[in-house]
Amino acid sequence: DVVMTQSLLSLPVTLGQPASISCRSSQSLVHSDGNTYLNWFQLRPGHSPRRLMFRVSNRDFGVPDRFSGSGSATDFTLKISRVEAEDVGIYYCMQGTHWPLTFGGGTKVEIE
Amino acid sequence: EVQLVESGGGLVQPGGSLRLSCTASGITFSSFEMNWARQAPGKRLEWVAFISSSGDATLYTDSVKGRFTISRDNAKNSLYLQMNSLRTEDTAVYYCVRGGYRYLECWGQGTLVTVSS
Repeated sequence: DVVMTQSLLSLPVTLGQPASISCRSSQSLVHSDGNTYLNWFQLRPGHSPRRLMFRVSNRDFGVPDRFSGSGSATDFTLKISRVEAEDVGIYYCMQGTHWPLTFGGGTKVEIE
Repeated sequence: EVQLVESGGGLVQPGGSLRLSCTASGITFSSFEMNWARQAPGKRLEWVAFISSSGDATLYTDSVKGRFTISRDNAKNSLYLQMNSLRTEDTAVYYCVRGGYRYLECWGQGTLVTVSS
């Protein structure tokens, strides 16, 4: 199985400052169809999980533009340009290129 | 507004069975592929099962193959997960998820399944 590694378990951030969450895969996530199936999800307390990004850098409808995704092959990053209080939660990357689908271990964003 | 509402969770003994349901509203349910995913306490998210929009194709993660069955009733806008031979390691919050299995685009609020004696 493809192992998704999020090296940071916890990311303390200051309100209004940027934050960067990394995710690394054990194999390239470039599919034979040319797409890279790497998604980012946000789990906030008291809310359903929410997809933020699909195929690396495509922002979902309604997701603030302070969120951006980047990366290629095995290294990916989710960035928050200016952290707001509502961004507190756990962020997971997920690969859909290889069978079975696998998720990263999550990075908890907390306000310091 | 899209709503996915899961129900049917609860406490069950090891070896027991449970049937989860998910009712969808705000979407043309029959047009969408659907999934179940779960998150065990303190663990990462895990995809569990997929069903095509017509229901004629299904996929499962290895740990539930032969024990869980995903199905749907498009006339009732409903998705189901029949869980048999439950194990303690199946304890988790189970989510109904709309979308292809590569995408998992929209999630319900989840229902808690606890397998314990």
